[in-house]
Amino acid sequence: AQTVTQSQPEMSVQEAETVTLSCTYDTSESDYYLFWYKQPPSRQMILVIRQEAYKQQNATENRFSVNFQKAAKSFSLKISDSQLGDAAMYFCAYRRNAGGTSYGKLTFGQGTILTVHP
Amino acid sequence: DAGVIQSPRHEVTEMGQEVTLRCKPISGHDYLFWYRQTMMRGLELLIYFNNNVPIDDSGMPEDRFSAKMPNASFSTLKIQPSEPRDSAVYFCASSSPWASGELFFGEGSRLTVL
Repeated sequence: AQTVTQSQPEMSVQEAETVTLSCTYDTSESDYYLFWYKQPPSRQMILVIRQEAYKQQNATENRFSVNFQKAAKSFSLKISDSQLGDAAMYFCAYRRNAGGTSYGKLTFGQGTILTVHP
Repeated sequence: DAGVIQSPRHEVTEMGQEVTLRCKPISGHDYLFWYRQTMMRGLELLIYFNNNVPIDDSGMPEDRFSAKMPNASFSTLKIQPSEPRDSAVYFCASSSPWASGELFFGEGSRLTVL
């Protein structure tokens, strides 16, 4: 079974600084997706960034980027120029791609609470 | 598109009562998921459907929980009888073959069982 581990229950960062959130996962599959979701106090789950396992290039979305190390099964999220609105719980998640449109379930890590200090 | 719609947003009930949570997925999405979020256990998958058919219900805690998807635009999660330990936020999510694996979440239903 696939597992996702986030070893940092809490992280903090000063506004405008950079922070990196860690995630490791375990799978025997070769084709899958990895995600970072953000959950602010409103509790809405918001997709931050997505990585496809067969793509070697790390995904980037504005101030958010990932460091995807497939062999090490590591998927960290870097937030640059942190803003107060980035404060939230961040979840790393895994979903296998079984071919075609067969995706299966999304497995989440335990989450990391990010605090941004002004 | 209106996104995934869940109701109710908040529900407070007494132990032993029946609770029904509702979900309308995004039109055209063929996967529907029910997750439960608690402080202790994080986000747990309860059950998911593909084309209205339950694929994996191994996360359903016990027989008190049941889920149905009678058509492509509606699903329910029912708890009968409810217990205080069922208090949690319940999320519904849907996904599409064209969304590169992304799940789209509703705003969640916060359930409190007294």
